[in-house]
Amino acid sequence: SQKIEQNSEALNIQEGKTATLTCNYTNYSPAYLQWYRQDPGRGPVFLLLIRENEKEKRKERLKVTFDTTLKQSLFHITASQPADSATYLCALDPLGGNNRLAFGKGNQVVVIP
Amino acid sequence: DGGITQSPKYLFRKEGQNVTLSCEQNLNHDAMYWYRQDPGQGLRLIYYSQIVNDFQKGDIAEGYSVSREKKESFPLTVTSAQKNPTAFYLCASSTAGRADTQYFGPGTRLTVL
Repeated sequence: SQKIEQNSEALNIQEGKTATLTCNYTNYSPAYLQWYRQDPGRGPVFLLLIRENEKEKRKERLKVTFDTTLKQSLFHITASQPADSATYLCALDPLGGNNRLAFGKGNQVVVIP
Repeated sequence: DGGITQSPKYLFRKEGQNVTLSCEQNLNHDAMYWYRQDPGQGLRLIYYSQIVNDFQKGDIAEGYSVSREKKESFPLTVTSAQKNPTAFYLCASSTAGRADTQYFGPGTRLTVL
């Protein structure tokens, strides 16, 4: 069956360190993968998109990698700050030819001052 | 001020009543989506529409209905046939091209008593 797996346990990290989140997928062949941030009680906000032919993408303190052989994306927050505390969702395109997204359950990050 | 709005923020209904959730966008997006999010769960797609007067079922459409009479609006009706309607409902929009990011509204928390 198709799965998108993110760690269900919250990641607690000291301020200033790098937080690394993993998104693994099974039985999908996505052309791209996206990462969103969601704060409690609010809608997700888009952060980064990486395509299958890209190995790495950066935006300010954020970095995403995409390994289609391992079927995995890594999401890094460098120099983490308490304001980075949120749940981070990965999403990919489950079907060719349209713009549907399938989402993982999200991974919570808690940055400790 | 462009964006996507959902109303109301909180909604309470008695069991057996139909209820309609509003979603409006002024981003000139062709595609709109409805998701449901339960605690500890990822976003699950209920319905989506890529163009006015057309929509498709998502993964959990049973007990829900939608209409897309205007580009800006995509209301969702939760019918009495939906067995477990209490949830956080999120509306999103995007341009109709593939790999386009989705913009989310603030969500409606529906509680059925």
